[in-house]
Amino acid sequence: AQKITQTQPGMFVQEKEAVTLDCTYDTSDPSYGLFWYKQPSSGEMIFLIYQGSYDQQNATEGRYSLNFQKARKSANLVISASQLGDSAMYFCAMREGLGGNQFYFGTGTSLTVIP
Amino acid sequence: GAVVSQHPSWVICKSGTSVKIECRSLDFQATTMFWYRQFPKQSLMLMATSNEGSKATYEQGVEKDKFLINHASLTLSTLTVTSAHPEDSSFYICSARRDPSQETQYFGPGTRLLVL
Repeated sequence: AQKITQTQPGMFVQEKEAVTLDCTYDTSDPSYGLFWYKQPSSGEMIFLIYQGSYDQQNATEGRYSLNFQKARKSANLVISASQLGDSAMYFCAMREGLGGNQFYFGTGTSLTVIP
Repeated sequence: GAVVSQHPSWVICKSGTSVKIECRSLDFQATTMFWYRQFPKQSLMLMATSNEGSKATYEQGVEKDKFLINHASLTLSTLTVTSAHPEDSSFYICSARRDPSQETQYFGPGTRLLVL
């Protein structure tokens, strides 16, 4: 089974609108971390936001928030007030287990912000 | 966030040559670094975990004799693609954690390798 599933290969959003990028994960380990990274066309991976499995509240970082629904095993990224510079690939990732090294990445979602 | 650099950012080489890619943590020491490979429009695939002062841990299916990893210091890991072939053409990206207790991996800007 896929550890991380991103079902939206491509998304479009109007500038200044909010958009939700979906991510579901699969693990039986009670300790895990969930991450979102942005990859613009230049290729660099930019860390956006982190959610720990034991965190009680949803993570927020500026315009980014993570809608963490543990029972559903989902960790959707919400980008508010989209900007043209948000156009990029977005990857959801999971670190499984306490102190685990390996990141499991999803297949990514390509977001295009329309002026 | 932490800063990780990679050099070179672009490399074009002839088939059969070896290519070395450097990954440096600029403002922190990294006992562990990670090397990923990404094909166009695909996700990142972990190739190996680079451990300072010891041998790298390779993922299943990754040839350790082809992809040599050396983590000589707490701020530098190198990936050498030996006897490169066109199928090795890819985007190689490294990452590091600021310290083992930290969750987040910080990524370098990546290296695009084209083997002719």
